[in-house]
Amino acid sequence: GAVVSQHPSRVICKSGTSVKIECRSLDFQATTMFWYRQFPKQSLMLMATSNEGSKATYEQGVEKDKFLINHASLTLSTLTVTSAHPEDSSFYICSANPTGLMYQETQYFGPGTRLLVL
Amino acid sequence: AQTVTQSQPEMSVQEAETVTLSCTYDTSENNYYLFWYKQPPSRQMILVIRQEAYKQQNATENRFSVNFQKAAKSFSLKISDSQLGDTAMYFCALGPGQFYFGTGTSLTVIP
Repeated sequence: GAVVSQHPSRVICKSGTSVKIECRSLDFQATTMFWYRQFPKQSLMLMATSNEGSKATYEQGVEKDKFLINHASLTLSTLTVTSAHPEDSSFYICSANPTGLMYQETQYFGPGTRLLVL
Repeated sequence: AQTVTQSQPEMSVQEAETVTLSCTYDTSENNYYLFWYKQPPSRQMILVIRQEAYKQQNATENRFSVNFQKAAKSFSLKISDSQLGDTAMYFCALGPGQFYFGTGTSLTVIP
């Protein structure tokens, strides 16, 4: 149980294009989802907290107009990297808190998306 | 402020031996949770074990157990009978809500 999927698993795009990453909770509902960025051999850096039906809360230094987050349902959150540039190349990970279940304070993670911007 | 510190960037252990990974944290909250996550080369974050701060009993999950010292704000992970598949980055995290992660410990199990 508590499975989170991400799609795509890896994407290569040209500079200036937009890329959408989907995060789905497969067997539970999630009022809250989180988006992280991870550089090689480093810890996870929280980008934003996504709440179903409301605007995401972005961490300091994260451009909300560049990293658009939508959490339209209790099982789906999307991250769109707009006008991507090479410096946006990274590993993006989402996580979700199961709503109304026993371990709702636990974050369950997706497998991540590797983005390479050429 | 809430912080999590992992002071061992790298560790190694012989297969079948026991290893302990250290984690200290700081929080002013009374109700909090502590977690250990494993990130193997696939980079999928996998929950290893969780501990509710209000529970004095240390959590255990098969070969994994924690030593939770609330007064000392310490939360170490013990891996018994280490297996090659335990080779991974291990992150200590403080929650709930927004998680605060440590910098990780890279564990290598040597055959």
